[in-house]
Amino acid sequence: DTGVSQDPRHKITKRGQNVTFRCDPISEHNRLYWYRQTLGQGPEFLTYFQNEAQLEKSRLLSDRFSAERPKGSFSTLEIQRTEQGDSAMYLCASSLWGREEQYFGPGTRLTVT
Amino acid sequence: GIQVEQSPPDLILQEGANSTLRCNFSDSVNNLQWFHQNPWGQLINLFYIPSGTKQNGRLSATTVATERYSLLYISSSQTTDSGVYFCAVGYTGANSKLTFGKGITLSVRP
Repeated sequence: DTGVSQDPRHKITKRGQNVTFRCDPISEHNRLYWYRQTLGQGPEFLTYFQNEAQLEKSRLLSDRFSAERPKGSFSTLEIQRTEQGDSAMYLCASSLWGREEQYFGPGTRLTVT
Repeated sequence: GIQVEQSPPDLILQEGANSTLRCNFSDSVNNLQWFHQNPWGQLINLFYIPSGTKQNGRLSATTVATERYSLLYISSSQTTDSGVYFCAVGYTGANSKLTFGKGITLSVRP
């Protein structure tokens, strides 16, 4: 049995570059969530999918951010033209519809220089 | 949106001591989870407890939904209990995102 996995675990990029992160949820889970956590704060919601449909996006998700879950399995989060303020831990979680407990992956730590 | 407040913000304990961590929230919720974040950033599920009381070893939790608070009890603390504890709340159905508190940083000294 595997939990939620995320790749890469760490990413260092220069300002202005594009980055893409991947999340693989627990296999039978049909809901997938993205959160962002900055130093000293709790995670903040970005967006979530039920199967392949993106059901909600936070105001934090600017037009430089895009998320996809094309076949209802893994998901990608892309950040275009990265800024230093994008430096954070990006966390993915999954759950099974009807059972609300969310399980989190290890996160991708992004550093924008 | 819903507000989540955790207290105290920081807690320092001697190994073997007991502690109580509190989470207050501003609305009726259907989902409440407690997490422990390890030094590498991984959120470890401790309890899914929208109401009632649960126990798991040295840890237990109680949520009084009608009064909008939850408590996490740690007994006989160990140094490995150190880290940040988060309370997160949400709703069922379409609006299922979690809203987190700012966390409680626990340091257990040997």
